[in-house]
Parts: sequence; structure tokens; C-alpha cells
Amino acid sequence: RKEVEQDPGPFNVPEGATVAFNCTYSNSASQSFFWYRQDCRKEPKLLMSVYSSGNEDGRFTAQLNRASQYISLLIRDSKLSDSATYLCAVNEGGGSNYKLTFGKGTLLTVNP
Amino acid sequence: NAGVMQNPRHLVRRRGQEARLRCSPMKGHSHVYWYRQLPEEGLKFMVYLQKENIIDESGMPKERFSAEFPKEGPSILRIQQVVRGDSAAYFCASSRVITDTQYFGPGTRLTVL
Repeated sequence: RKEVEQDPGPFNVPEGATVAFNCTYSNSASQSFFWYRQDCRKEPKLLMSVYSSGNEDGRFTAQLNRASQYISLLIRDSKLSDSATYLCAVNEGGGSNYKLTFGKGTLLTVNP
Repeated sequence: NAGVMQNPRHLVRRRGQEARLRCSPMKGHSHVYWYRQLPEEGLKFMVYLQKENIIDESGMPKERFSAEFPKEGPSILRIQQVVRGDSAAYFCASSRVITDTQYFGPGTRLTVL
């Protein structure tokens, strides 16, 4: 069974803190990796794709470790507006590389 | 540039009724995917369609659920004889090509009484 596991959370951090989320995946054939954020009762919105060499977008840094089959998301200088559920998504790879498997998400609350 | 559109946003049905959920992909996108998010669960892939073709329906329940993406008009997810366990948020996503990023619509929240 192809699974994606995330830190259960919830994470409660003060403004300005650095917070990191991890996500492990079981399917070694997976080729594409993503972090989405989902606000309460809203749709998932793409935060960033995760590339093999790691990538950064402002305060957000994503890393991929293929050998250990996990991806991570680091948020620096967290803002109140970062409060959301963060979803890790992994594609199935092979002939089904369109099929995304999502983790259950990690709830982040940034406090003033 | 309009994003993925879904309607209705909220749908209430009684047990045994039919539910029809509609999805219009982003302009220029010909690949549509349906996902379901049960309470306290992650999103689960249901079906992948291109115009007039169902490519992969491996995530669809075997009975009562069907999907289509006609040549003209939106993609439709149809649930016949709904049961309480069908209550969930149903999200549609689209992409320009099969390997591209999937962009999600606002979802339809189905409540079965």
C-alpha cells in the first residue's frame, strides 16, 4: 500500500519562530513531491514543489531525501498568516504519475 | 484568469437521493482529477479524466459513483442513492498536461442527512 505519513501535530509556535515539518513516503517509484497548504474549509493551494536539490521560496525551504524517502518543509520567521494545515503530496510514479497521494496534514497555529 | 470552478459549493441531500457535482477546469487545462476528503482524513484520489475519456477510476467506489467529462461543458461527479458516509468535501483539480502541477477548485461540501 502506497502511503504518505506526516507529523501528527498540532504545532503551536510564537510569531517569528522557525518550524519544520517532515513527511515520509513508502513508494520508491514516486517522482514528484509537493507541499500544499489548506486553510480551514478551503481548497489545498500549492505552496511549493520539492526538487531533488532542495529549493527555497522566501521564508520556505523544502528538502527531499530520496534515500530515506522523506521530504521536509522549513518555515522561518513564521507569521500569523502561516497558520494553516500543511499537506504533503507525493505522486504515484510510473504510469500513474498523475495520481497524488496526500498525507493527513499537519496543523500549524502561529500565535501572537 | 479564472481558476478551477466548482459548483455547488454546498450540497445537502437526504439518503437515497442523487448528488451531482460540477467542475470546470482552468482555461487551457484538459486534465481533470477528482479527490475526496473525508472528515479528519487526507485527500484521496478518485478519478482522472480527459475530454470524453475516463483514464483512471481506480479510486472510485465500485457502486453508485460515476464521473464524466463531456466534449462540451464541465466534468460531472455523480453519486446515486447517497448514504451518510458520502458526506465529505469533494475537490476537483486540473492540469495543463499530465505531468503538470494540479490546481484545486474550492470544493463541494456534500452533507447527507
